[in-house]
Amino acid sequence: TAGITQAPTSQILAAGRSMTLRCTQDMRHNAMYWYRQDLGLGLRLIHYSNTAGTTGKGEVPDGYSVSRANTDDFPLTLASAVPSQTSVYFCASSDSGDGGTEAFFGQGTRLTVV
Amino acid sequence: GQNIDQPTEMTATEGAIVQINCTYQTSGFNGLFWYQQHAGEAPTFLSYNVLDGLEEKGRFSSFLSRSKGYSYLLLKELQMKDSASYHCAVRDSNYQLIWGAGTKLIIKP
Repeated sequence: TAGITQAPTSQILAAGRSMTLRCTQDMRHNAMYWYRQDLGLGLRLIHYSNTAGTTGKGEVPDGYSVSRANTDDFPLTLASAVPSQTSVYFCASSDSGDGGTEAFFGQGTRLTVV
Repeated sequence: GQNIDQPTEMTATEGAIVQINCTYQTSGFNGLFWYQQHAGEAPTFLSYNVLDGLEEKGRFSSFLSRSKGYSYLLLKELQMKDSASYHCAVRDSNYQLIWGAGTKLIIKP
């Protein structure tokens, strides 16, 4: 099974350009999340969705937007990239938005904004 | 504010035992997770504690004391493949995961 898939694996992006990071899961999980991981810091939540059709802001949402049109897909868009958005981005999903279920992570997208 | 503290780096010897500590201060508590992350890879789930006490899973065990805001991950019979970063994460009152910065564990032969 594929689990959770992110694309692209890596990208170099010019500052000011827009980009969409794709995330697809085939586990029929209700909840999905976008995190960024920077050296020396814990994973920080950007946006989340507890179920299709709903989204919420995490700890660091500025400069990012998401949509959840269906259960499987949760794209993350950078409208106008800045160098501080250079990071590794992880998409994750879990069976529910609350409770004790574990989150499953995609392999990450390494984004460099120059 | 919310805070998760864990050591930045630890070194241990193959075959030995290592304990990685985690202390937390969060807005509410709805469970604590430990994840393993090998360099360049995604985090993978190791354990979950919501009640006080010890949860054992093979070579790995995780302990929780809610009154002390404290957890540890215990790794026994260390193997070279255990070299990785270990992340403590707490689910807060909004059911969002708050992550520690991770502990890089280096295993030496």
